[in-house]
Amino acid sequence: DAGVIQSPRHEVTEMGQEVTLRCKPISGHNSLFWYRQTMMRGLELLIYFNNNVPIDDSGMPEDRFSAKMPNASFSTLKIQPSEPRDSAVYFCASGSGGAWDTQYFGPGTRLTVL
Amino acid sequence: DAKTTQPNSMESNEEEPVHLPCNHSTISGTDYIHWYRQLPSQGPEYVIHGLTSNVNNRMASLAIAEDRKSSTLILHRATLRDAAVYYCILPSPRSRASGSRLTFGEGTQLTVNP
Repeated sequence: DAGVIQSPRHEVTEMGQEVTLRCKPISGHNSLFWYRQTMMRGLELLIYFNNNVPIDDSGMPEDRFSAKMPNASFSTLKIQPSEPRDSAVYFCASGSGGAWDTQYFGPGTRLTVL
Repeated sequence: DAKTTQPNSMESNEEEPVHLPCNHSTISGTDYIHWYRQLPSQGPEYVIHGLTSNVNNRMASLAIAEDRKSSTLILHRATLRDAAVYYCILPSPRSRASGSRLTFGEGTQLTVNP
């Protein structure tokens, strides 16, 4: 089992550019989560999907952020336009669902916006 | 979400047991107690979870107080590789239909001395 796969692992971009982060969840998992981690705010849940449907996006900071899950094996988190304050490590996690869902995290994407 | 309280940091010596406490006085009768840890430069990883009874797995043991208002994660013989931030979490909401989300607090930074 390859685990949760995220790409790219590192991204450096300039302010105003569009950034797309990608995630492939563990096969068979039906929950998918996007988190952001910074020194100031810790680990925050941005959005999560269950069976490809967004369940809670209350953590998405603003309209510049959007997430999609077109099928059970792929999700994207897009930032457009990016700003320096978006610099963080973004984690994707997947789970098998249910009331005691155990989440399995990917290695993260370190985003730097100059 | 039910709130958890953990010490900011703890220290241990290699090969010795470590007891990481967590208070969750507002826990409801159906809340599971989950522990995750985050090694340096990695995504969080699941450690253990429980409801009422004490639990053991290959990584750790979880001791849950009789009134469930506190719990303790026990690492029986700490190694240098156990140095990480440990998070005690009560996932919510609990629904098979929508899955559950994790709210990460600041956790406990465990330092293991050689």
